[in-house]
Amino acid sequence: DAKTTQPTSMDCAEGRAANLPCNHSTISGNEYVYWYRQIHSQGPQYIIHGLKNNETNEMASLIITEDRKSSTLILPHATLRDTAVYYCIVRVAQGAQKLVFGQGTRLTINP
Amino acid sequence: DAGITQSPRYKITETGRQVTLMCHQTWSHSYMFWYRQDLGHGLRLIYYSAAADITDKGEVPDGYVVSRSKTENFPLTLESATRSQTSVYFCASLAFSSDSYEQYFGPGTRLTVT
Repeated sequence: DAKTTQPTSMDCAEGRAANLPCNHSTISGNEYVYWYRQIHSQGPQYIIHGLKNNETNEMASLIITEDRKSSTLILPHATLRDTAVYYCIVRVAQGAQKLVFGQGTRLTINP
Repeated sequence: DAGITQSPRYKITETGRQVTLMCHQTWSHSYMFWYRQDLGHGLRLIYYSAAADITDKGEVPDGYVVSRSKTENFPLTLESATRSQTSVYFCASLAFSSDSYEQYFGPGTRLTVT
């Protein structure tokens, strides 16, 4: 599975959109991009995933560049409860059914 | 209650002791996973299981043993605990299809080896 690079930490004001970038320049054509988050001391939680089209669900939007070498997770109206570590993960859909977590981005939402 | 549970939630043990961490899921998911998370670090995969009686090593399997006699249970055993195994352990199960892939994580077990 391709390696991902994320900023170590980010801050965002409450009520604003939080945009979390992820670089996956070595991604292959059959690899999906997944986002999970981990709120302090809890188990990680699935947010969203995509292959090449932009995706949106009740939690977030995922924007994948046309060359698929990077993506951005968007939390449209961040709240204090969105403070967490966000993990960007790339995996092959038909590969081994496991995820490899990197260090993630620690997002702090400020009041 | 539906979901994934872990027990115990907290455990303190001594070096050299055997300790078993339990994981139970109610969805009948085929895949289950064990991760460890050390303070300030990401999750590392210890072992995973594709089905009952099928297990495979992850990134950091040394010092751990797993078994899976029933689909719903996936216990993790530290045969002779060491201080380096002090960590938070997360169990997860997987729901996946052709267009979705979601791991559900338990609340974690905080293990301290003295």
